[in-house]
Order: sequence, then C-alpha cells, then structure tokens
Amino acid sequence: QVQLMESGGGLVKPGESLRLSCEVSGFSLSDSYMNWIRQAPGKGLEWISYISSSGSTRFYADSVKGRFTVSRDNGKNSLFLQMNSLKADDTAVYYCVKNSGYCHGGSCTNWFDSWGQGALVTVSS
Amino acid sequence: SYVLSQAPSVSTAPGQTARITCGGDNIGIKAVHWYQQRPGQAPVLVLYDDSDRPSGIPERFSGSNFENTATLTISRVEAGDEADYYCQVWDTDSGQQGVFGGGTKLTVL
Repeated sequence: QVQLMESGGGLVKPGESLRLSCEVSGFSLSDSYMNWIRQAPGKGLEWISYISSSGSTRFYADSVKGRFTVSRDNGKNSLFLQMNSLKADDTAVYYCVKNSGYCHGGSCTNWFDSWGQGALVTVSS
Repeated sequence: SYVLSQAPSVSTAPGQTARITCGGDNIGIKAVHWYQQRPGQAPVLVLYDDSDRPSGIPERFSGSNFENTATLTISRVEAGDEADYYCQVWDTDSGQQGVFGGGTKLTVL
C-alpha cells in the first residue's frame, strides 16, 4: 500500500525558513520521480517542484525558483523541501506526490498518481 | 506559460451525466490528467492520459480530448461524486512544469 507522510509544517514569520519532509512506504522511492504540490486556503492546486529518481534533475515553478530547494534521501525513503525567504503567499497545504509519466516522440507527460495528506505551512507576522 | 481554463461550477442531478471541461490552446495534442478532491481530503487521480482509469476508479468516469477542449464525463452521478475536479497537463513548451486548471466544483443536486 502506497503511503506518503509529510511533516515539518507550522507557523513561521515572513522571511524565515522551513523544511518539509515526506516519508514514503509501499513503493521504491529510488525508482520514483517525485513532486511537491501546494494548495492555498480555498484555492486551487499549484505544482511547485519535481525531482528525478536520482535527484540529478529538478524543476521548479517560477513562484518558488531561487527560494525553494527539493532534495531526497532514497536510503531513508524520504523527500524534502527546503523553503527559504518565505512570504505570506506561500501559505498553503503542501503535498508530497508520486510521479508517473513517459516520453514519446520527443514529448513528455507527467501525472501525479499518489498523494500524501499534506502539511500546512502558515506564513504570518 | 500554458493556461488551462475550467468553469468554476457544474451541477447535476443524481443518476444523470456530468461533463466537466478543460480548455487550452490546442490541448488535443497534449495528454490531460484529472483529479478529484473531496472536501478536506487530498486529491485523487481519476483519469490519466486523457481517458485511462487508475485501478479502483469506476467505469463511470471517462474522458476525451479534442482540439481545444478536454472533457471529464461522469455517468450515473452519485452523491459521493460531489467534489472539486482539476485538469492537469505537463508543459514542456515553457520549461518543464506541471500546470493545473483552476478547478470545477461539481454539485450533486
């Protein structure tokens, strides 16, 4: 049974940092590409980061590029999101999400097949 | 970056068919994926690659994608289908990024 469990959320002040963790079970993290996706209160879903199985390839949304860093420790079945210079707009539930996808004819697609329950991050003075 | 457009809300009576659309420029050449999010819960994948269902998703959920509109169709709608539904693509034209539509709230009357 695939399980993803986020931790590390909480209340921080603007400009501060926070590190989210995601511990997974029921599948091989070392074979899996992963994502972080967030949802502001009462709003829609926003993809923010992707990391390949080895960690060698990472993509970020423009809204977090240069402030957030995704990493992983396959030996500990864990994914991380280091969030620096936090702003009020970063207030959201952050989901750790397992990726599926493929490339065909030079074009690639990815979708999000398993989600954690989310960790709430609140940025407020 | 690529933009996906969804109507904010759709209403359907139990037993009827609900159609939730997702608009995008020439979206028909992209693979579209759909998620269901019930209140207070994490999203769940209900369709991938336009019309494929993950294990455990009822056959009542189907999809199509042509020209500028992708459609999620829910047949024989049940009260438990009431949720927010999001479409999603992977955009490779403006860098590599996931893109979601704004979501559609399905109300079962």
